[in-house]
Amino acid sequence: QQQVKQSPQSLIVQKGGISIINCAYENTAFDYFPWYQQFPGKGPALLIAIRPDVSEKKEGRFTISFNKSAKQFSLHIMDSQPGDSATYFCAASTSNTGKLIFGQGTTLQVKP
Amino acid sequence: NAGVMQNPRHLVRRRGQEARLRCSPMKGHSHVYWYRQLPEEGLKFMVYLQKENIIDESGMPKERFSAEFPKEGPSILRIQQVVRGDSAAYFCASSAPGTGSIEQFFGPGTRLTVL
Repeated sequence: QQQVKQSPQSLIVQKGGISIINCAYENTAFDYFPWYQQFPGKGPALLIAIRPDVSEKKEGRFTISFNKSAKQFSLHIMDSQPGDSATYFCAASTSNTGKLIFGQGTTLQVKP
Repeated sequence: NAGVMQNPRHLVRRRGQEARLRCSPMKGHSHVYWYRQLPEEGLKFMVYLQKENIIDESGMPKERFSAEFPKEGPSILRIQQVVRGDSAAYFCASSAPGTGSIEQFFGPGTRLTVL
């Protein structure tokens, strides 16, 4: 019940296209859902996060869509750029525990 | 305004030696989390500490691993008698104190190689 399942494992998108990464969870106690971006040899960087009281959050080219009833959330990267090529992790946590449960990661390649 | 700092960035140990990984949280942050990332895998929670207290160690292996966050100084993740399976990237994250402040910011990691 602590798992977060992420798909796809890898994704190739043309420059200017939309990248979509999906995550699903089981634990209904989760109330915080961040996305992290990680470049090779670096630590994960917080990209955007959402709480279940809203269905969508947008920051620049990055949007999180959240479906509470389906227990799913997704990251959309609009106008994808080669510089977006990285590994993306979704995660979930409960406010009172703090620990993040991560998805398995998606390796995104944006072709010029 | 330095971010989370970890050292060393790379650490090589032979089987049976001890590994000590250090983490200095962001300024003003008093919550520290350790995660382990095995090659080609996601990050796995290990332990959550506040100053002088272990809050949650449910992800720590029962033997050989320990963590501390003293009143003064960095947080330390200690691995005794390392084995090849301990080879991984170890990341530290920190967050600010206060209810609801659960944004975690990660350091660059320590890449441990056990020969």
